[in-house]
Amino acid sequence: DTEVTQTPKHLVMGMTNKKSLKCEQHMGHRAMYWYKQKAKKPPELMFVYSYEKLSINESVPSRFSPECPNSSLLNLHLHALQPEDSALYLCASRAVGTEAFFGQGTRLTVV
Amino acid sequence: AQSVTQLGSHVSVSEGALVLLRCNYSSSVPPYLFWYVQYPNQGLQLLLKYTSAATLVKGINGFEAEFKKSETSFHLTKPSAHMSDAAEYFCAVSETGGYQKVTFGTGTKLQVIP
Repeated sequence: DTEVTQTPKHLVMGMTNKKSLKCEQHMGHRAMYWYKQKAKKPPELMFVYSYEKLSINESVPSRFSPECPNSSLLNLHLHALQPEDSALYLCASRAVGTEAFFGQGTRLTVV
Repeated sequence: AQSVTQLGSHVSVSEGALVLLRCNYSSSVPPYLFWYVQYPNQGLQLLLKYTSAATLVKGINGFEAEFKKSETSFHLTKPSAHMSDAAEYFCAVSETGGYQKVTFGTGTKLQVIP
């Protein structure tokens, strides 16, 4: 199994809603990543978890809250988002010295 | 800090022609380098990677890239473009050791003309 699975594929939420994005991998990778990608732009790193601990936070606003419950799961909790947060959210996982494997992403629209 | 620069945000080639997408990197230590492809509304798929083994790297779908330390380059090539190659291509860099961030270039959109 060389897949990273992200759910949901599409999400529409209001600015007062609370929602979560989920990411799952069963490749035994000990690093997991969240990226945000706006239209016609490259992915921008948000968070890195290694061994279930947050190792990198790229100064992301607190309305985005990551969580890594175990080595296979990564969540991104969303609260009080703004329309400019609408984007494709990509999850990736990685083993040491290898490439990052990406999921298909969650297309988020904030209304 | 590591970074990559992709020259040309749009590249157009005729079907059957050579594809050349340029990437230059900046890193204080020997890096890992990657090329990813992204089709509309999809995630990123790895084409090939350089992780300090052979400098000429062959990837999927007939793509290859050569790591040139003297030129700090990692250009992507394919001898003959196919219509299905039309997509966005990202060069990416990562420092070696541990679980480092993967930083992407700005991307090159490849158009293949029939």
